[in-house]
Formats: sequence, structure tokens, C-alpha cells
Amino acid sequence: QKEVEQDPGPLSVPEGAIVSLNCTYSNSAFQYFMWYRQYSRKGPELLMYTYSSGNKEDGRFTAQVDKSSKYISLFIRDSQPSDSATYLCAMSEGSARQLTFGSGTQLTVLP
Amino acid sequence: ETGVTQTPRHLVMGMTNKKSLKCEQHLGHNAMYWYKQSAKKPLELMFVYNFKEQTENNSVPSRFSPECPNSSHLFLHLHTLQPEDSALYLCASSRAGGLAGGTYNEQFFGPGTRLTVL
Repeated sequence: QKEVEQDPGPLSVPEGAIVSLNCTYSNSAFQYFMWYRQYSRKGPELLMYTYSSGNKEDGRFTAQVDKSSKYISLFIRDSQPSDSATYLCAMSEGSARQLTFGSGTQLTVLP
Repeated sequence: ETGVTQTPRHLVMGMTNKKSLKCEQHLGHNAMYWYKQSAKKPLELMFVYNFKEQTENNSVPSRFSPECPNSSHLFLHLHTLQPEDSALYLCASSRAGGLAGGTYNEQFFGPGTRLTVL
């Protein structure tokens, strides 16, 4: 079993839709949860990170962490064609431990 | 130049060639990383350098040899690669210290080098 599972998609939605991206994980010691966005031919860039459980909102993006279910989500409201990218979840136990990434979900927002 | 730059952007090499990938960060960071990204697979951390010292080697084959001459530059020397080594190689940098006390020292990624081994 992979430490972090992420549906690879591809996922296509119409412009304006609410998008839900998810990851599940098996390591209960994970405390830091990140979402990265990767455009084609670019490196990943950090969208949001959350420490421990709870929600975090930044503009049209909301990150949720449910540690009891070992499940994290990224919601995109009013999705735009410019949101078309691959979204990577990543997580870590913290301190000296490095990031464990999901395999990424490819999202296309159709105009 | 700003952020993290990588050269070359594309590289095709034979199995007997020797080549090097270069990464430079202009962010004043003191930790640098090499990752491998293969299609449909998670990013795999290869090496970590903190203050020019290698602090992590994730069981990477010896045909990959990293070098960090200073906190701004990172190289990956390639020798006798296999076709399965074809992938996107990403460099990243961050402030040292990783994750602690609820704080994440963000890793900033370069655009990557697309490597094809024939």
C-alpha cells in the first residue's frame, strides 16, 4: 500500500464548477499537509499548507484535513481555465522528515 | 534570474554517456534538493543538502552523483544511466530547518530537466 494515495484523473470540469481534489494516507504521524500546483513544463508551486487538522481558506481555494479519517481535500470554487494543472498533495511528519507526495491529479477546466 | 533555475531543460543521452544537470537558486536559501518525477508516479526525493552538506540520500544508485559546491548551486552528475532513469529531474531549495513547530519552510522548485536515456 502506498503511503499517500491520490486519484490521477484526468478530471475535466466546466468553468465555474466547484472542484474537489483528495488524498488519503496511511501514516498517522503525518502532521503537515500541502497542496502543490504544477503547470505543464513547470516545477510544482506551493498553493497551501496546513498544520495538523482543520480547514484553511485562501481566496477560491480551501484545504481541509481530517486526521481521524486520514483524508485531505482541496476545494476550488469558481474554477477557471487557468486552474488547469496537475495538483499534488504532499505531507510530512515534521522536524527532519521530508515530504511524501501523492502521484498528482490532472485537472482541466473547460471554458 | 530569479527563483530556481535549471539547465539544460532537455537532455537526451546514451547509456554510456556522462552528463551533468545544473541547478542554481537566487533566493538566499541554504537547503537544496534533487527530486525525480516519473509519469503517473509520486515525486521521489533523491538527495538533500543543508549548508552544503549532504544530509539525505534515499538509496539512490551510484550512477547518480550529486555535488553542492556552495549554497546556491547544486549539480547532478549522470553516468551509465538506464532507460528507466528517463524522467523529469527537479531541483528545489528552501530555508534550512524543514518543518517544525507548525511552520513549513516552503520548497521552491525549478522547472526541471527532462531527461531521456536511449
